[in-house]
Amino acid sequence: DTEVTQTPKHLVMGMTNKKSLKCEQHMGHRAMYWYKQKAKKPPELMFVYSYEKLSINESVPSRFSPECPNSSLLNLHLHALQPEDSALYLCASSQGFRSYNEQFFGPGTRLTVL
Amino acid sequence: GQQLNQSPQSMFIQEGEDVSMNCTSSSIFNTWLWYKQDPGEGPVLLIALYKAGELTSNGRLTAQFGITRKDSFLNISASIPSDVGIYFCAGQRGSTLGRLYFGRGTQLTVWP
Repeated sequence: DTEVTQTPKHLVMGMTNKKSLKCEQHMGHRAMYWYKQKAKKPPELMFVYSYEKLSINESVPSRFSPECPNSSLLNLHLHALQPEDSALYLCASSQGFRSYNEQFFGPGTRLTVL
Repeated sequence: GQQLNQSPQSMFIQEGEDVSMNCTSSSIFNTWLWYKQDPGEGPVLLIALYKAGELTSNGRLTAQFGITRKDSFLNISASIPSDVGIYFCAGQRGSTLGRLYFGRGTQLTVWP
């Protein structure tokens, strides 16, 4: 089973709201990723977790706060977002970082910030 | 971050035709991946390539890892309407904590 699940599918929020995106995988993968994707553009890496520890933060604004409660779950906490943060947010996972460790993506959360 | 040069940017073809797209880079990669993305969905992995010169098929899809390790191509034979979508190539180096370098995508439209 190569499935990564994400909730919610769609989210609309105001600039003063606090919300969270959730991602889950049960493939035993030890690396998990958050990406942001604008329309007709490739995904842009935001964060990488390895063994539940933050390995990469691509200079993402602090209004995005990632959390990895355990090896199967990844959250992205959102606070005081801007309209330009509206995008498709993708979660991915891989067994590790070496070759032969393909990344599998979830279906994404479509975020609209009003 | 670095992006790969993926071409063509878009293709409009008739059902039954073959399709070819490619990615090139100025840097060497250890792994090449090809993804397909439908509107509003996440990218789906189509083919993964691990060795220079490797040729791999998945149904009507065939992909190759270039000998120089700086390029890859994807062919789709006998296209069907459900092949419509955006195809992304992605390269991965062994030393970059899983980071993927993406091409800009090829938008494929198939006319029945």
